[in-house]
Amino acid sequence: GAGVSQSPSNKVTEKGKDVELRCDPISGHTALYWYRQSLGQGLEFLIYFQGNSAPDKSGLPSDRFSAERTGGSVSTLTIQRTQQEDSAVYLCASSPGTVGSPLHFGNGTRLTVT
Amino acid sequence: AQSVTQLDSQVPVFEEAPVELRCNYSSSVSVYLFWYVQYPNQGLQLLLKYLSGSTLVKGINGFEAEFNKSQTSFHLRKPSVHISDTAEYFCAVSENQGAQKLVFGQGTRLTINP
Repeated sequence: GAGVSQSPSNKVTEKGKDVELRCDPISGHTALYWYRQSLGQGLEFLIYFQGNSAPDKSGLPSDRFSAERTGGSVSTLTIQRTQQEDSAVYLCASSPGTVGSPLHFGNGTRLTVT
Repeated sequence: AQSVTQLDSQVPVFEEAPVELRCNYSSSVSVYLFWYVQYPNQGLQLLLKYLSGSTLVKGINGFEAEFNKSQTSFHLRKPSVHISDTAEYFCAVSENQGAQKLVFGQGTRLTINP
């Protein structure tokens, strides 16, 4: 079956521009996560959606970052007024949302801010 | 909130030698623990998990990990490594109540030398 799909796979943008990153989770998965992976920084938690509950936004690094999940499926991560330090791989993952269920990761979007 | 510390950012070992990758966590409640692996140029995948029961859990590719509640550790071990085990390994924790958000450590890069 189809896995987690992220688009675009690569994005180069100029400092100050806004970007939108898209994630299509596995059908039926109620939980959706966004992480940021930077060299030497591991996986930094950004935001977590679970069903109809209010999202856990505690990992968003600044108010330039926002995310939404429409209809409990597709999610969009938006970064406004991008900065060079935003350059990283942004990973999306989904899971069935049951206890201990593993995350299924997409291949990520590599964002480069010039 | 929970947190994870992976004490070694890089671990070089010779082929067929044993290896231990260390992971310590912090949480005010009981937890679920996971190890994920990221092979070069691939996405993250689940290696093994501890939810309850036996504190020694076995995963894919001959890896195992032991949950030690008193030491708040979940170290990953393999008795004899192969070149193909070269990858980055991530320890992760979620609390077993509430939102069950999954938080990752900084990762350990395992390099196997012939």
